Amino acid sequence: KQEVTQIPAALSVPEGENLVLNCSFTDSAIYNLQWFRQDPGKGLTSLLLIQSSQREQTSGRLNASLDKSSGRSTLYIAASQPGDSATYLCAVRRSGGSYIPTFGRGTSLIVHP
Amino acid sequence: ETGVTQSPTHLIKTRGQQVTLRCSSQSGHNTVSWYQQALGQGPQFIFQYYREEENGRGNFPPRFSGLQFPNYSSELNVNALELDDSALYLCASSLASLRDTQYFGPGTRLTVL
Repeated sequence: KQEVTQIPAALSVPEGENLVLNCSFTDSAIYNLQWFRQDPGKGLTSLLLIQSSQREQTSGRLNASLDKSSGRSTLYIAASQPGDSATYLCAVRRSGGSYIPTFGRGTSLIVHP
Repeated sequence: ETGVTQSPTHLIKTRGQQVTLRCSSQSGHNTVSWYQQALGQGPQFIFQYYREEENGRGNFPPRFSGLQFPNYSSELNVNALELDDSALYLCASSLASLRDTQYFGPGTRLTVL
Protein backbone atom coordinates (compact mmCIF):
# COMPACT_ATOMS: atom_id res chain seq x y z
CA LYS A 1 0.00 0.00 0.00
CA GLN A 2 1.35 3.38 -1.02
CA GLU A 3 2.06 5.78 1.84
CA VAL A 4 2.87 9.44 1.29
CA THR A 5 4.57 11.53 3.97
CA GLN A 6 5.12 15.27 3.92
CA ILE A 7 7.69 17.03 6.05
CA PRO A 8 7.49 19.46 7.73
CA ALA A 9 3.84 19.45 8.78
CA ALA A 10 3.96 23.20 9.32
CA LEU A 11 6.34 25.99 8.39
CA SER A 12 6.45 29.69 9.21
CA VAL A 13 8.94 31.89 7.37
CA PRO A 14 9.54 35.61 6.80
CA GLU A 15 8.75 37.04 3.41
CA GLY A 16 11.53 36.67 0.83
CA GLU A 17 12.92 33.37 2.03
CA ASN A 18 13.53 30.45 -0.29
CA LEU A 19 12.03 27.26 1.06
CA VAL A 20 11.79 23.54 0.39
CA LEU A 21 8.85 21.26 1.07
CA ASN A 22 9.40 17.53 1.12
CA CYS A 23 7.26 14.60 0.01
CA SER A 24 8.26 10.95 0.32
CA PHE A 25 6.45 7.84 -0.90
CA THR A 26 6.96 4.17 -0.17
CA ASP A 27 6.20 2.53 -3.55
CA SER A 28 8.35 3.74 -6.43
CA ALA A 29 6.04 2.24 -9.09
CA ILE A 30 4.35 5.56 -9.75
CA TYR A 31 2.69 7.01 -12.85
CA ASN A 32 3.15 10.63 -11.82
CA LEU A 33 3.39 12.97 -8.84
CA GLN A 34 1.44 16.17 -8.47
CA TRP A 35 1.77 19.14 -6.12
CA PHE A 36 -1.33 21.04 -5.10
CA ARG A 37 -2.09 24.17 -3.13
CA GLN A 38 -5.11 24.36 -0.84
CA ASP A 39 -6.34 27.54 0.81
CA PRO A 40 -8.26 27.11 4.10
CA GLY A 41 -11.57 25.31 3.56
CA LYS A 42 -11.17 25.42 -0.21
CA GLY A 43 -10.54 23.02 -3.06
CA LEU A 44 -7.19 22.05 -4.52
CA THR A 45 -5.31 23.99 -7.17
CA SER A 46 -2.78 22.05 -9.22
CA LEU A 47 0.70 23.59 -9.17
CA LEU A 48 2.99 21.13 -10.90
CA LEU A 49 2.69 17.64 -12.39
CA ILE A 50 5.78 15.47 -12.86
CA GLN A 51 5.52 12.31 -14.94
CA SER A 52 7.49 9.29 -13.70
CA SER A 53 10.00 9.70 -16.55
CA GLN A 54 10.73 13.34 -15.65
CA ARG A 55 13.14 14.73 -13.08
CA GLU A 56 11.67 18.19 -12.52
CA GLN A 57 9.08 20.75 -13.52
CA THR A 58 9.14 24.53 -13.14
CA SER A 59 6.44 27.15 -13.07
CA GLY A 60 7.38 30.70 -12.16
CA ARG A 61 8.86 30.71 -8.66
CA LEU A 62 8.05 27.04 -8.14
CA ASN A 63 10.28 24.10 -8.96
CA ALA A 64 9.41 20.49 -8.23
CA SER A 65 11.87 17.62 -8.47
CA LEU A 66 11.30 13.89 -8.48
CA ASP A 67 13.69 11.09 -7.49
CA LYS A 68 11.65 7.97 -8.08
CA SER A 69 14.32 5.52 -6.96
CA SER A 70 14.58 7.09 -3.52
CA GLY A 71 10.85 7.81 -3.29
CA ARG A 72 11.21 11.55 -2.85
CA SER A 73 9.98 14.80 -4.31
CA THR A 74 10.71 18.36 -3.27
CA LEU A 75 8.85 21.57 -3.97
CA TYR A 76 11.10 24.61 -4.00
CA ILE A 77 9.50 28.03 -3.59
CA ALA A 78 11.74 30.98 -4.38
CA ALA A 79 11.38 34.41 -2.81
CA SER A 80 8.31 33.52 -0.77
CA GLN A 81 5.44 36.00 -0.45
CA PRO A 82 2.54 36.31 2.03
CA GLY A 83 0.22 35.21 -0.79
CA ASP A 84 2.00 31.84 -0.81
CA SER A 85 0.48 31.06 2.60
CA ALA A 86 -1.57 27.88 2.16
CA THR A 87 -1.35 24.12 2.63
CA TYR A 88 0.72 22.30 0.03
CA LEU A 89 -0.21 18.71 -0.78
CA CYS A 90 1.55 16.13 -2.87
CA ALA A 91 -0.28 13.26 -4.53
CA VAL A 92 1.19 10.16 -6.10
CA ARG A 93 -0.59 8.12 -8.75
CA ARG A 94 0.27 4.44 -8.88
CA SER A 95 1.14 2.95 -12.23
CA GLY A 96 -0.11 -0.31 -13.70
CA GLY A 97 -3.82 -0.16 -13.17
CA SER A 98 -6.04 2.06 -11.12
CA TYR A 99 -4.14 5.36 -11.14
CA ILE A 100 -5.89 6.22 -7.89
CA PRO A 101 -3.98 9.10 -6.28
CA THR A 102 -2.64 8.85 -2.74
CA PHE A 103 -2.27 12.17 -0.96
CA GLY A 104 0.01 13.25 1.83
CA ARG A 105 -1.35 15.24 4.78
CA GLY A 106 0.21 18.42 3.50
CA THR A 107 2.56 21.12 4.75
CA SER A 108 0.88 24.19 6.19
CA LEU A 109 2.91 27.25 5.16
CA ILE A 110 2.68 30.73 6.64
CA VAL A 111 4.74 33.51 5.07
CA HIS A 112 4.68 36.59 7.28
CA PRO A 113 5.49 40.11 6.08
CA GLU B 1 -14.53 27.50 -19.94
CA THR B 2 -16.40 26.98 -16.67
CA GLY B 3 -14.68 25.38 -13.71
CA VAL B 4 -15.86 22.64 -11.38
CA THR B 5 -18.69 23.73 -9.12
CA GLN B 6 -20.15 22.04 -6.04
CA SER B 7 -23.29 22.57 -3.99
CA PRO B 8 -24.09 23.21 -1.27
CA THR B 9 -21.10 24.99 0.25
CA HIS B 10 -21.92 23.92 3.79
CA LEU B 11 -24.30 21.37 5.24
CA ILE B 12 -25.23 20.27 8.74
CA LYS B 13 -26.90 16.91 9.31
CA THR B 14 -27.56 14.65 12.27
CA ARG B 15 -26.37 11.10 12.74
CA GLY B 16 -28.42 8.56 10.81
CA GLN B 17 -29.64 11.00 8.18
CA GLN B 18 -28.93 10.83 4.47
CA VAL B 19 -27.20 13.51 2.37
CA THR B 20 -26.76 14.28 -1.32
CA LEU B 21 -23.90 16.43 -2.57
CA ARG B 22 -23.71 17.75 -6.12
CA CYS B 23 -20.94 18.50 -8.58
CA SER B 24 -20.81 19.99 -12.06
CA SER B 25 -17.79 18.99 -14.07
CA GLN B 26 -15.59 21.31 -16.05
CA SER B 27 -16.79 21.74 -19.60
CA GLY B 28 -15.69 18.84 -21.85
CA HIS B 29 -14.77 16.50 -18.99
CA ASN B 30 -16.53 13.12 -18.81
CA THR B 31 -14.84 11.75 -15.69
CA VAL B 32 -15.56 12.77 -12.12
CA SER B 33 -13.94 11.62 -8.89
CA TRP B 34 -15.05 12.19 -5.32
CA TYR B 35 -12.78 12.61 -2.31
CA GLN B 36 -13.27 12.91 1.44
CA GLN B 37 -10.90 15.18 3.32
CA ALA B 38 -11.08 15.05 7.10
CA LEU B 39 -9.62 17.94 9.06
CA GLY B 40 -5.83 17.91 8.96
CA GLN B 41 -5.70 15.01 6.50
CA GLY B 42 -5.10 14.64 2.79
CA PRO B 43 -8.03 13.81 0.51
CA GLN B 44 -9.07 10.14 0.40
CA PHE B 45 -10.38 8.74 -2.89
CA ILE B 46 -14.02 7.57 -2.65
CA PHE B 47 -14.85 6.61 -6.23
CA GLN B 48 -14.72 7.66 -9.85
CA TYR B 49 -17.41 7.79 -12.53
CA TYR B 50 -16.74 7.60 -16.23
CA ARG B 51 -19.59 7.94 -18.71
CA GLU B 52 -22.20 7.28 -15.99
CA GLU B 53 -20.54 4.08 -14.71
CA GLU B 54 -18.56 3.63 -11.49
CA ASN B 55 -14.98 3.02 -12.60
CA GLY B 56 -12.86 2.61 -9.49
CA ARG B 57 -13.57 2.75 -5.79
CA GLY B 58 -11.55 3.44 -2.69
CA ASN B 59 -11.92 1.91 0.76
CA PHE B 60 -15.38 3.28 1.57
CA PRO B 61 -18.49 1.32 2.63
CA PRO B 62 -21.49 0.82 0.33
CA ARG B 63 -23.46 3.54 2.10
CA PHE B 64 -21.34 5.90 0.01
CA SER B 65 -22.84 5.82 -3.48
CA GLY B 66 -22.87 8.02 -6.52
CA LEU B 67 -24.44 8.89 -9.80
CA GLN B 68 -23.22 10.54 -12.95
CA PHE B 69 -25.70 12.05 -15.37
CA PRO B 70 -25.61 12.33 -19.19
CA ASN B 71 -24.42 15.94 -18.87
CA TYR B 72 -21.56 14.58 -16.70
CA SER B 73 -22.76 16.30 -13.54
CA SER B 74 -22.55 14.03 -10.52
CA GLU B 75 -23.99 13.30 -7.09
CA LEU B 76 -22.48 11.76 -3.99
CA ASN B 77 -25.01 10.14 -1.65
CA VAL B 78 -24.19 9.10 1.89
CA ASN B 79 -26.71 7.07 3.89
CA ALA B 80 -26.87 6.48 7.64
CA LEU B 81 -24.52 9.34 8.42
CA GLU B 82 -21.94 8.83 11.16
CA LEU B 83 -20.04 11.45 13.13
CA ASP B 84 -16.81 10.47 11.32
CA ASP B 85 -18.40 11.43 8.00
CA SER B 86 -17.84 15.06 8.95
CA ALA B 87 -15.36 16.30 6.37
CA LEU B 88 -14.78 18.42 3.27
CA TYR B 89 -16.04 16.53 0.23
CA LEU B 90 -14.25 17.37 -2.99
CA CYS B 91 -15.10 16.45 -6.51
CA ALA B 92 -12.65 16.61 -9.38
CA SER B 93 -13.21 16.29 -13.09
CA SER B 94 -10.81 15.12 -15.74
CA LEU B 95 -10.85 14.58 -19.45
CA ALA B 96 -11.11 10.80 -19.63
CA SER B 97 -9.48 8.97 -16.75
CA LEU B 98 -7.57 9.21 -13.49
CA ARG B 99 -4.41 9.36 -15.55
CA ASP B 100 -5.35 12.84 -16.65
CA THR B 101 -4.91 16.02 -14.68
CA GLN B 102 -7.81 16.54 -12.31
CA TYR B 103 -9.49 19.88 -11.68
CA PHE B 104 -10.99 20.25 -8.24
CA GLY B 105 -14.10 22.04 -7.10
CA PRO B 106 -14.24 24.21 -3.96
CA GLY B 107 -15.76 21.41 -1.87
CA THR B 108 -18.77 20.91 0.39
CA ARG B 109 -18.20 21.09 4.14
CA LEU B 110 -20.39 18.46 5.83
CA THR B 111 -20.87 18.50 9.57
CA VAL B 112 -22.61 15.55 11.22
CA LEU B 113 -23.93 16.19 14.75
